[in-house]
Amino acid sequence: DAGVIQSPRHEVTEMGQEVTLRCKPISGHNSLFWYRQTMMRGLELLIYFNNNVPIDDSGMPEDRFSAKMPNASFSTLKIQPSEPRDSAVYFCASSLGTGGTPEAFFGQGTRLTVV
Amino acid sequence: GDSVTQMEGPVTLSEEAFLTINCTYTATGYPSLFWYVQYPGEGLQLLLKATKADDKGSNKGFEATYRKETTSFHLEKGSVQVSDSAVYFCALPGRGSTLGRLYFGRGTQLTVWP
Repeated sequence: DAGVIQSPRHEVTEMGQEVTLRCKPISGHNSLFWYRQTMMRGLELLIYFNNNVPIDDSGMPEDRFSAKMPNASFSTLKIQPSEPRDSAVYFCASSLGTGGTPEAFFGQGTRLTVV
Repeated sequence: GDSVTQMEGPVTLSEEAFLTINCTYTATGYPSLFWYVQYPGEGLQLLLKATKADDKGSNKGFEATYRKETTSFHLEKGSVQVSDSAVYFCALPGRGSTLGRLYFGRGTQLTVWP
């Protein structure tokens, strides 16, 4: 398996523009997570899905952020409009999230820079 | 709620030194415990885990023992290498309404000098 695939790896955009980050989880995994990592705040969980349904979006910082999972093999995180303080590395992760000891598999991340 | 607390970094060591990174947890019962590692420019990956009290997880020369008496899961390595330079995260899984997610500590940056 290719693992969790995120695109793009790097994104530089101007303030006010819309940004869309994409994620393909590992086939067969039923939980998907979006994280944001910054030096100041560390690793933050933004939202997670079980079986394509959003379970907890309390980590989404503002209405400017939205996430969708239209099917089991694809998810997007959108920021509209983007602001410089959104600059961070965004990770997607997936797992077999139905109990037991769920190992989360992370993508390589998207480094977002908003100028 | 359930949570983990790990020691603040950064930690800087010379090659072949002994490493300890402290992690304590707060939880009802005895959840599984994990250590994840993040190498530069990469996502997190599972380093080791322990699924019940008194278990020892080990991988790549790293060890951690699940100690319920002290609610701890400290990460240790007897002789670190330059290639161990990374950020290390302690984690435990959610339960009930948060089943399926992981709660991560703040991360501890380790730098090993030759």
